[in-house]
Amino acid sequence: DTGVSQDPRHKITKRGQNVTFRCDPISEHNRLYWYRQTLGQGPEFLTYFQNEAQLEKSRLLSDRFSAERPKGSFSTLEIQRTEQGDSAMYLCASSSGTSTGELFFGEGSRLTVL
Amino acid sequence: GNSVTQMEGPVTLSEEAFLTINCTYTATGYPSLFWYVQYPGEGLQLLLKATKADDKGSNKGFEATYRKETTSFHLEKGSVQVSDSAVYFCALSGSARQLTFGSGTQLTVLP
Repeated sequence: DTGVSQDPRHKITKRGQNVTFRCDPISEHNRLYWYRQTLGQGPEFLTYFQNEAQLEKSRLLSDRFSAERPKGSFSTLEIQRTEQGDSAMYLCASSSGTSTGELFFGEGSRLTVL
Repeated sequence: GNSVTQMEGPVTLSEEAFLTINCTYTATGYPSLFWYVQYPGEGLQLLLKATKADDKGSNKGFEATYRKETTSFHLEKGSVQVSDSAVYFCALSGSARQLTFGSGTQLTVLP
């Protein structure tokens, strides 16, 4: 069990560019979550998958944000036409169907938009 | 909607001091409550949890009791160590197991 891994760990981009983050969950976990964390704040829920189905996406911050989990394994979070306000830490977490709220988090992908 | 209010930090204590970090919540229904911890350079990890009223979660000397009447889940430890220095987040579970987090409390323990 290697835990939840995220890539890249840090991304610097210019405003207007597209960025994509990848998350590999713990292999036996069927639930996958994306959160965003800004400095001095707690993580903010963005979206959630159970297997390959995206069950909650209303919290995605705008239509520039999209997420996929094509085969129910890894997931990607894409931000199109980045803005400076998108600078934040993007966290991925996974859990098993039997857990009661225990999420296992990756170390995050930090986005800096210049 | 659901919300979590945490004691503002930062908190600085001497080793072996008593720790309390306050957490109150607003939620519909009967959520589960959690404390997560983030050590420097590491990802968030679950510290303890309680799934129903009057439950006490405990781990690594930390404790928190689910108080429905006061909608609180305060974190306590009787004797902190330097290694407890971290950011602590209170959270509650909502629908679809998503978590709502407080803003976090930075704890620094001095030797």
